[in-house]
Amino acid sequence: KNEVEQSPQNLTAQEGEFITINCSYSVGISALHWLQQHPGGGIVSLFMLSSGKKKHGRLIATINIQEKHSSLHITASHPRDSAVYICAVRRGSRLTFGEGTQLTVNP
Amino acid sequence: DGGITQSPKYLFRKEGQNVTLSCEQNLNHDAMYWYRQDPGQGLRLIYYSQIVNDFQKGDIAEGYSVSREKKESFPLTVTSAQKNPTAFYLCASTLLRQPNQPQHFGDGTRLSIL
Repeated sequence: KNEVEQSPQNLTAQEGEFITINCSYSVGISALHWLQQHPGGGIVSLFMLSSGKKKHGRLIATINIQEKHSSLHITASHPRDSAVYICAVRRGSRLTFGEGTQLTVNP
Repeated sequence: DGGITQSPKYLFRKEGQNVTLSCEQNLNHDAMYWYRQDPGQGLRLIYYSQIVNDFQKGDIAEGYSVSREKKESFPLTVTSAQKNPTAFYLCASTLLRQPNQPQHFGDGTRLSIL
């Protein structure tokens, strides 16, 4: 079993829909990261969380340390949100990554 | 603008050949990392370095080698001992002095076997 599990693996939505991607982990962590990977392969960091909730524009990330679970929400989704979203947990100076969620938002 | 530069973007290797992937950062970051990404799998750590002239093996170091002669540079050599080198390789860096800083990633190098 992977230390970091994401669901769903693939997600297709219509423009404007509310999106939720989930991440569960099985180890103690110091922080959790949400990353976005575009088709060209480059990765950008969206959020880093150690507790509670963070919001940036239409993106919201939450974490429940006791339940070892985090969610990434996208409100009013848009075709430009189409990408792979990756959850990663930090232990010491290292990150362990989930397999990613491929999101496709259709116009 | 500061960032991480990986080159080349695409690389082709013949059987039995060593190839070196370049990673340079001008962010003054202490730590640098090499990851491998295969379809349907999460990123896996190959090697990482927290200080010049020192580096540690990650989870899949066999068939790879690295050097860290300068703070800005962390090249990865894929040796002929790596039997399945076709993959997407990502370099990342981070500041160690500020805990929980995000890792910054390069745009990756896609390596294929001819």
